[in-house]
Amino acid sequence: EAQVTQNPRYLITVTGKKLTVTCSQNMNHEYMSWYRQDPGLGLRQIYYSMNVEVTDKGDVPEGYKVSRKEKRNFPLILESPSPNQTSLYFCASSTRDFPSPLHFGNGTRLTVT
Amino acid sequence: GQNIDQPTEMTATEGAIVQINCTYQTSGFNGLFWYQQHAGEAPTFLSYNVLDGLEEKGRFSSFLSRSKGYSYLLLKELQMKDSASYLCAVRRTDSWGKFQFGAGTQVVVTP
Repeated sequence: EAQVTQNPRYLITVTGKKLTVTCSQNMNHEYMSWYRQDPGLGLRQIYYSMNVEVTDKGDVPEGYKVSRKEKRNFPLILESPSPNQTSLYFCASSTRDFPSPLHFGNGTRLTVT
Repeated sequence: GQNIDQPTEMTATEGAIVQINCTYQTSGFNGLFWYQQHAGEAPTFLSYNVLDGLEEKGRFSSFLSRSKGYSYLLLKELQMKDSASYLCAVRRTDSWGKFQFGAGTQVVVTP
């Protein structure tokens, strides 16, 4: 089954403890991206990657890192999480062929205390 | 500035029609997408417009006017399962990879 898989689904952590949220897709998509979703603000783009070893900042990259060493994986790293990073996170992927709709993972609900 | 505006919530009865408007001001325009998101779930793709006019897909249609920075999603013959949030998103031209989303419109379908 074609899918984007995020892990974990739920994560509670404390301020300053480094964490990684994994994202993997099995559709051979070139493009992958991360979003956070907060009430009243909608989805905001954190980082995106057009292909292996190519990453760029979205609108809210502060406090996050990403890497794209393999086509299928695009982990999101929080080196020193803070409470304002408590949010629902989505990973998404797409081809680069028109119209390239995004395929989303099931989300990771992160709570930082 | 860059902004995508949609109403926060709309209520309609089963079998009726609802129109969700979306206006945008973004760094260029390279296509407008509509997604559906049920509570606690991932967004799923509904429709896409890059040229002006109406795109129809079954009970769902989407319209675009680029000169007005305006789109709408029309949901016909509403069913209870259509109760969800509907997200308007624009792909920007400053970078093909950059997307900007509206905050979403919660549609509540009543019996």
